[in-house]
Amino acid sequence: ETGVTQTPRHLVMGMTNKKSLKCEQHLGHNAMYWYKQSAKKPLELMFVYNFKEQTENNSVPSRFSPECPNSSHLFLHLHTLQPEDSALYLCASSQEVQGKNIQYFGAGTRLSVL
Amino acid sequence: DAKTTQPTSMDCAEGRAANLPCNHSTISGNEYVYWYRQIHSQGPQYIIHGLKNNETNEMASLIITEDRKSSTLILPHATLRDTAVYYCIVRVGLGNTGKLIFGQGTTLQVKP
Repeated sequence: ETGVTQTPRHLVMGMTNKKSLKCEQHLGHNAMYWYKQSAKKPLELMFVYNFKEQTENNSVPSRFSPECPNSSHLFLHLHTLQPEDSALYLCASSQEVQGKNIQYFGAGTRLSVL
Repeated sequence: DAKTTQPTSMDCAEGRAANLPCNHSTISGNEYVYWYRQIHSQGPQYIIHGLKNNETNEMASLIITEDRKSSTLILPHATLRDTAVYYCIVRVGLGNTGKLIFGQGTTLQVKP
């Protein structure tokens, strides 16, 4: 248990569906991240939120829409996805302490787009 | 792009030390080296990090060369549960806006 909880763990959706991924952290951190991990590829950073403000959007298509209502919760809203968006979506949180910044990851949501 | 290069895969006998190398020849003076591992289909797990001194914790040791262009992660007594993909990462940027840029990592197979 890392203190970062992602739901659902598995999701199957059609290309016309709208769904949301949820991430919650119980670590008191002030930064949260979304990553995408496609098969046989490295993790790709998608979005960064720092004190609820988005500080990074790594050229992510608009069919992915993040939301950070507070420092403990992060959502990824999905709509009109493509089959190539099927991947493991990982959430992480962190806090800088005296130069040390460790990201704690959730277990991920395995997404399949049909 | 990731600022590190690692071997694609390595094997290690159970109970022996696993030494995982990493090259980061373009590292800047204030950039830290972080190591994470990812067991199949789980989220990455932090192992250790360092700037220029060698570091040790309950999981592993990190040896960084004096010129900081390479490092080695040492798992002193590998177990079957250490089978995973190990990522060596140079953290770019400072504070909470700093980024971990993951590469392909090294797949470590610990064998009985």
